[in-house]
Parts: sequence; structure tokens; C-alpha cells
Amino acid sequence: DIQMTQSPSFLSASVGDRVTINCKASQNINKYLDWYQQKLGEAPKLLIYNTNSLHTGIPSRFSGSGSGTDFTLTISSLQPEDVATYFCLQHNSGYTFGAGTKLELK
Amino acid sequence: QIQLVQSGPELKKPGESVKISCKASGYTFTDYAMHWVKQAPGKGLKWMGWINTYTGKPTYADDFKGRFVFSLEASASTANLQISNLKNEDTATYFCARGDYAYWGQGTLVTVSS
Repeated sequence: DIQMTQSPSFLSASVGDRVTINCKASQNINKYLDWYQQKLGEAPKLLIYNTNSLHTGIPSRFSGSGSGTDFTLTISSLQPEDVATYFCLQHNSGYTFGAGTKLELK
Repeated sequence: QIQLVQSGPELKKPGESVKISCKASGYTFTDYAMHWVKQAPGKGLKWMGWINTYTGKPTYADDFKGRFVFSLEASASTANLQISNLKNEDTATYFCARGDYAYWGQGTLVTVSS
């Protein structure tokens, strides 16, 4: 089974900061990595699919990059509404979520 | 618009069973698989498996083989998750998600307590 290691677990940043969250796969997952945002009490929301494709309606400050085993979600300029927990999901072989990154405002 | 609407919260005792429904609307139900995801309180997301909405064939993640059953009422565009012989550790919010993960149900909280 493919394991996903997500870092950091917790992140505190200021409005306007550039924020990066990482996911590392235990083996090559090609481009099959998605990113989700989950606000408290809500269902997860798809942000980025297949490494770097922005889902419909998602602001352009969100972007994804990477390949193979190492992937990154970047928020170019943090907004207050971005406070949430972020998860990665690999779907190259089965499906495995990362453990999540809780993002808070400093 | 596309929606997945799940059934309401459940309070059950250990050993009982529960059935959660996920009704899809706004798209052709059989065009996408339906996946199920577990989120224990304060924890991350765990993939449970998926069901082929065209053939009805389920696929279960290793940790969800045995007490968990995915089923369909295709005529009603509904996918179901049944959990039997409930244990305290089944206490969680369960989400359905369309196969492309672009649409999710709102989640159903199942609480198992004596």
C-alpha cells in the first residue's frame, strides 16, 4: 500500500504570506495527487487535481506542483478564509489520504 | 445543480447495525463511481472503498472488509453504506464522494455508545 507523509501538521501564517504544504508518497504516484480543503464541520472541497489542475471556481492563489513522490500545495497570498485543514489524496494505486495540515492565522 | 445528500445523524449501541444513504442529483448516477470516506472525531480522512454504480460491484479497503457493505438503489440514484456489529471505534462522520471527488455529501455522524 502507498503511504502519504504530509507536512507540516500545523502551520501558522499571516494574511498575505506565501504558504506551502507538502506531501511525500512512499512510491511513485505519477501525477495522481489531489489537494482538498476542509473547514470545521464541513465536507472536504477539491482544490487541485492531478498535481496542478485547478478545480472549477477555486481562486488562482492556490496552485499545485510536483511529480513522482514529492508534491506541494502553495497558497500565494494567504487570506482569512483560507483557515482550514488541508489534505492530499493519492489515487495512482488505490486511494490514500495524507494526515492533514491545520492552517491557522498568526 | 449537482448534489449528494446524506441521511441524518445516528446514535447506536455496540453490536447494532446502521445504514447510511447518499442520494445523488444533478447528474447521471451511473456515470460515476461512489466512494465512501471515514473521519473519526478530530482525525483525518480514511478511504473506505467504492462501488461501481453501473455494475453494483463494491471494492473495500483492507480495514473495511467484513462488517461494511456498500449497496445501491440505482433507480433512486442512491448509494448506501451499512455497518453491522457496530463498535465504539466506528464513531465517526462518514462521507460519500462522487468518483472524481469533485462532489461530496455533507457527512453523516454515527455515534456508537452504550
